[in-house]
Amino acid sequence: GENVEQHPSTLSVQEGDSAVIKCTYSDSASNYFPWYKQELGKRPQLIIDIRSNVGEKKDQRIAVTLNKTAKHFSLHITETQPEDSAVYFCAAAGGGNKLTFGTGTQLKVEL
Amino acid sequence: SAVISQKPSRDICQRGTSLTIQCQVDSQVTMMFWYRQQPGQSLTLIATANQGSEATYESGFVIDKFPISRPNLTFSTLTVSNLSPEDSSIYLCSVEGGQGAFHGLDTQYFGPGTRLTVL
Repeated sequence: GENVEQHPSTLSVQEGDSAVIKCTYSDSASNYFPWYKQELGKRPQLIIDIRSNVGEKKDQRIAVTLNKTAKHFSLHITETQPEDSAVYFCAAAGGGNKLTFGTGTQLKVEL
Repeated sequence: SAVISQKPSRDICQRGTSLTIQCQVDSQVTMMFWYRQQPGQSLTLIATANQGSEATYESGFVIDKFPISRPNLTFSTLTVSNLSPEDSSIYLCSVEGGQGAFHGLDTQYFGPGTRLTVL
């Protein structure tokens, strides 16, 4: 089955800096890669996703890149703000739309 | 996106008992899923709840321990049976439902979760 690795497990940045979280996947058949943000005590919230026919996608301060050849995808957050502090999960899905999640990254944006 | 609710939001149960969690969606959805999130961990798919047929379980999860019902396209239940402290987790349902051109129809959205503590 699919295996998703996520790095780093914790990330601390200064407000206004950029943050990058990286994930790799094992199943070359996976074609859908969402990113979720989970604040303490709350549900995971979809923040951005990308499909295998696209190399990059942006939504304001958030972007995701996908390298299918290398089987890795990354989340980029620019101009970080304190409210970006949360746990971020990447995931991968192939046939059947079953999501396999990475282990999560605790992002802390410091003032 | 669809509005998803879960009941109960939290519960404390005794060892050996069972807890049934309900997931309600405000619109018809084809796919519903159940996940477990152990304390401080990631999300693990338990099963896909199929409408009108038996759920499809992932490796390591069995129907006797996690029976699932899906009587219609807006509702599902997950029962966690014969509880032990190791079952203490957050249980989340998710549904597929896109919200337009930016996300696809297979995008998954999560319910608020049920926090289960087993004593």
